[in-house]
Amino acid sequence: QQQVKQSPQSLIVQKGGISIINCAYENTAFDYFPWYQQFPGKGPALLIAIRPDVSEKKEGRFTISFNKSAKQFSLHIMDSQPGDSATYFCAASMFSVQFYFGTGTSLTVIP
Amino acid sequence: KAGVTQTPRYLIKTRGQQVTLSCSPISGHRSVSWYQQTPGQGLQFLFEYFSETQRNKGNFPGRFSGRQFSNSRSEMNVSTLELGDSALYLCASSRDFNNEQFFGPGTRLTVL
Repeated sequence: QQQVKQSPQSLIVQKGGISIINCAYENTAFDYFPWYQQFPGKGPALLIAIRPDVSEKKEGRFTISFNKSAKQFSLHIMDSQPGDSATYFCAASMFSVQFYFGTGTSLTVIP
Repeated sequence: KAGVTQTPRYLIKTRGQQVTLSCSPISGHRSVSWYQQTPGQGLQFLFEYFSETQRNKGNFPGRFSGRQFSNSRSEMNVSTLELGDSALYLCASSRDFNNEQFFGPGTRLTVL
């Protein structure tokens, strides 16, 4: 059973546009929700993370929106750039011991 | 500060063989987690070690095992390889609970 469901599977956005990736979870015990960015041939790298006591967190062009009642969270990439083209994974964990990952979104930003 | 290193980077084995993958965490990190990454399933948690003890285990068969040494370096072993074991195996390290995980580049295992 997939603990974290991620959509869309792939996304194509024009340069300067907004990329939005969504995730949903079931386990209300999750207390940490990170997003990872992965380039080909590399391991995932932490992009931004949020805890359920806040509804939004922004770091530069990247924003996480968190809806605790709906058990959903999303990643917004503002002013998307070709260099943002990568695979993005959402994840959820309890006490950061075991992480459950979404299946990934392949983002392509067209110049 | 050196990142997480994994060796080897690429490996080709045949069905029935066994394989050992190695992971060296970031200096000072005592927690090491292993993940299997496949196109269809994404990243799936294998197990996590802290101070040489397995603290948590994912839903994988007993053919998958691991260990951690006193210097926090970790190895995972897969016995009796199956075609479906072909995947990218990722190692991640962190200081402890509630800390960011840092991933290595992975070991690409191909089973023929």
